[in-house]
Amino acid sequence: DTGVSQDPRHKITKRGQNVTFRCDPISEHNRLYWYRQTLGQGPEFLTYFQNEAQLEKSRLLSDRFSAERPKGSFSTLEIQRTEQGDSAMYLCASSSQGAPYEQYFGPGTRLTVT
Amino acid sequence: GENVEQHPSTLSVQEGDSAVIKCTYSDSASNYFPWYKQELGKRPQLIIDIRSNVGEKKDQRIAVTLNKTAKHFSLHITETQPEDSAVYFCAASGWDGGSQGNLIFGKGTKLSVKP
Repeated sequence: DTGVSQDPRHKITKRGQNVTFRCDPISEHNRLYWYRQTLGQGPEFLTYFQNEAQLEKSRLLSDRFSAERPKGSFSTLEIQRTEQGDSAMYLCASSSQGAPYEQYFGPGTRLTVT
Repeated sequence: GENVEQHPSTLSVQEGDSAVIKCTYSDSASNYFPWYKQELGKRPQLIIDIRSNVGEKKDQRIAVTLNKTAKHFSLHITETQPEDSAVYFCAASGWDGGSQGNLIFGKGTKLSVKP
């Protein structure tokens, strides 16, 4: 499968724990985006990387959230001290230099905070 | 910032009928408008998009129209089939070739096509 991949697909954690998700974009894509989707809503933008540079962050991204893309390939999203309100599907998308508009999504990581 | 409104929230049609989903946006700087289809438990899938220098685009049974003056765009699906049943999301982006590019999504339309 040469599409965007995410790991894990599901994560159940207790409130207060830290979690980390991984996204592997399509190999030639230099742009990578993180979104959050709750039930019955459209995806909400969290943050965006061009190569290894984090160029934009939503105000939704509180200081408990941090994202990295150290070598301009895969990215990680970490949530510290999780809260029940963090329960959501976390989606990653990527786009290429040649077609920067077109974002292709991964299958998502479903986070449940108990 | 940009705000995208999408209507209707649910839409039920008979197989073979047409379906139309409408979206409005608030930021006149937005210039890219994609539509995504999301089946239950699956990733959003890009099905068609349109840029602000184009008024209409068609791909087989799917078409999208854009009215920049009124700031609204629509998805048209003709000859609907049961496999078209899914949630459809519109989105807008103010891509300027630089740091922007994040998509602002509508809340989605659940389309049901009855055989």
